[in-house]
Amino acid sequence: ELKVEQNPLFLSMQEGKNYTIYCNYSTTSDRLYWYRQDPGKSLESLFVLLSNGAVKQEGRLMASLDTKARLSTLHITAAVHDLSATYFCAVDNYNTDKLIFGTGTRLQVFP
Amino acid sequence: GAVVSQHPSWVICKSGTSVKIECRSLDFQATTMFWYRQFPKQSLMLMATSNEGSKATYEQGVEKDKFLINHASLTLSTLTVTSAHPEDSSFYICSARVTRASVYEQYFGPGTRLTVT
Repeated sequence: ELKVEQNPLFLSMQEGKNYTIYCNYSTTSDRLYWYRQDPGKSLESLFVLLSNGAVKQEGRLMASLDTKARLSTLHITAAVHDLSATYFCAVDNYNTDKLIFGTGTRLQVFP
Repeated sequence: GAVVSQHPSWVICKSGTSVKIECRSLDFQATTMFWYRQFPKQSLMLMATSNEGSKATYEQGVEKDKFLINHASLTLSTLTVTSAHPEDSSFYICSARVTRASVYEQYFGPGTRLTVT
């Protein structure tokens, strides 16, 4: 059974600081997705990572994928309040073509 | 492009009644749609895979007789919560799968918040 774990589950950080969210998964996959969810809202797609070593950046967020380590990271640079949200990674299960979501990381950025 | 809508966005119903939620792909056709539920401060849990023209595939532990899924066309899937109870109160999110350059992507609807009183 494919399991996807994120850490930390909750992150409170000061504006201007950097931090990394980790996403570990248990079985082979080379398709990993990052989403953002604001309170009471649905999911917004951030990144799609499709191969080992893939790195994508958008604004203050950068995502990477290491399929050998079964690890993806979402790095936040110089955080701002607008980044406050819950971030989910999700892994495509080869056997079923279903997305399995991580536990989520709730990020709060304070002044 | 790739917009998914849900209706209603929120619904309050009495215990014992049934509620239907619609999921539509507005500008593309989707042979496969997915239904998720999300409890407060938790992750998304896949309930079922909805396939156009065939029966839905339910995840383990999801009652297919309680959560009826119909995917009657390439742009519409419906989830009916039958005989709803307060424990069915949740945020229900659908997604539609698209294949782009041999890669599956899922586009998510805005969600439906169901409250059963």
